[in-house]
Order: sequence, then C-alpha cells, then structure tokens
Amino acid sequence: QKEVEQNSGPLSVPEGAIASLNCTYSDRGSQSFFWYRQYSGKSPELIMFIYSNGDKEDGRFTAQLNKASQYVSLLIRDSQPSDSATYLCAVNMGPGSQGNLIFGKGTKLSVKP
Amino acid sequence: EAQVTQNPRYLITVTGKKLTVTCSQNMNHEYMSWYRQDPGLGLRQIYYSMNVEVTDKGDVPEGYKVSRKEKRNFPLILESPSPNQTSLYFCASSLSQGAGGYTFGSGTRLTVV
Repeated sequence: QKEVEQNSGPLSVPEGAIASLNCTYSDRGSQSFFWYRQYSGKSPELIMFIYSNGDKEDGRFTAQLNKASQYVSLLIRDSQPSDSATYLCAVNMGPGSQGNLIFGKGTKLSVKP
Repeated sequence: EAQVTQNPRYLITVTGKKLTVTCSQNMNHEYMSWYRQDPGLGLRQIYYSMNVEVTDKGDVPEGYKVSRKEKRNFPLILESPSPNQTSLYFCASSLSQGAGGYTFGSGTRLTVV
C-alpha cells in the first residue's frame, strides 16, 4: 500500500514565525512531490512542487526533499494569518503511474495574530 | 480564464438512481483525475486519465465509472449510488505530472439518501 503520512495538527504558530510542515512517503520510486493549500470549503491549490533532492524556494515558501529519508517538508517564513489552512502533501509514484497522485491527509495550520 | 469546471456543485439523490458529474477543462491538459474527500480520510483518487481513451483506476474505483472520449471532458458516473458515496468530489487536470501537479475544480458535494 503506497502511503503518504502527515501530522494532522493542528499546528499553531504566532504571526511572523516559521511554520514547518512535514511529510513522509512509503514508495522509494516516487519522483514528484507537491504541496497544496486548502482553505476550509475550498478546493486544493498548488503552491509548490519539487523533483530533486535539496531545497526549492518560492517567495516565503521553501520545499525540502530528502529522497534517501523519504521525507519532504514545507517551510513558511514570516507566517501570516492568511496562511491558516490545511496543507496537503502529494506524491507521484513514478513511471507507469504518472497520473496517480497520492495525497496525505493534511496538516491544519493556524497562524495566530 | 484557465479553469476546471465541475457540475453540479451540489447534488442530493436517492440510492440507486444513476447520476453523472461532469468535468471540463479549457487548458488542453493531458491528465485528468477524480478524487473524493472525506473527513479523516483525506483526498483519495478514484480514477485518472492520461489521455483520450486512456483511463486507470486510482485507490477507490469501486462503484464509479469514467470515460475520456474528448480531451477536455472527463465525466464521473455513478451507476447505482449508495449512501457510502456521499462525499465531496473534485475533478482535476494537469498538463503532465512533470509539469507541476493538478489544477482542481471547485468541487461537487454529493449526498446519497
């Protein structure tokens, strides 16, 4: 069974702090990794994707991937109340299953003013 | 405007009455997918399609059918809905898995009584 695991939270951080969201996955052949944000009652929205080991930065967001440890994380710097949402980690399991994107259950983030 | 359009947004139906949820995208995307989202279970993939006439099962395909006769459309068919198919359904599309993940529609909230 291919699995993507996230802490459900809630993760609470004060405004201006760094929020760190973590995700592990079971399939070593996984190739593509995504972070989505979902506000309550809305559809998931893609915020970051990463394919190679290391860090990828986009504005206040940094995705980190460690394939040896089967671990991917998302850092949100200078967290804002508007960042309060559920963050979903998603993993594509690789060749032969290009459309098969597996999601974790999400981590709920609350940023306190 | 580039988007994934699902209809209807809300649907209440009775057990056993066949229904179709439509999904259309205007981005010329190759990949399309259906997910259902349930509290505590997260997003689970029902079916996905990598191109016209090419579909494959996701993690929870039982009780559902799909077709991909045209690139832009990917309807979800419930031949004989049951109460355990009450859920929030999302259609999504992607240019390819290597291009950065799925764009989601606004969702269809289905209730089967």
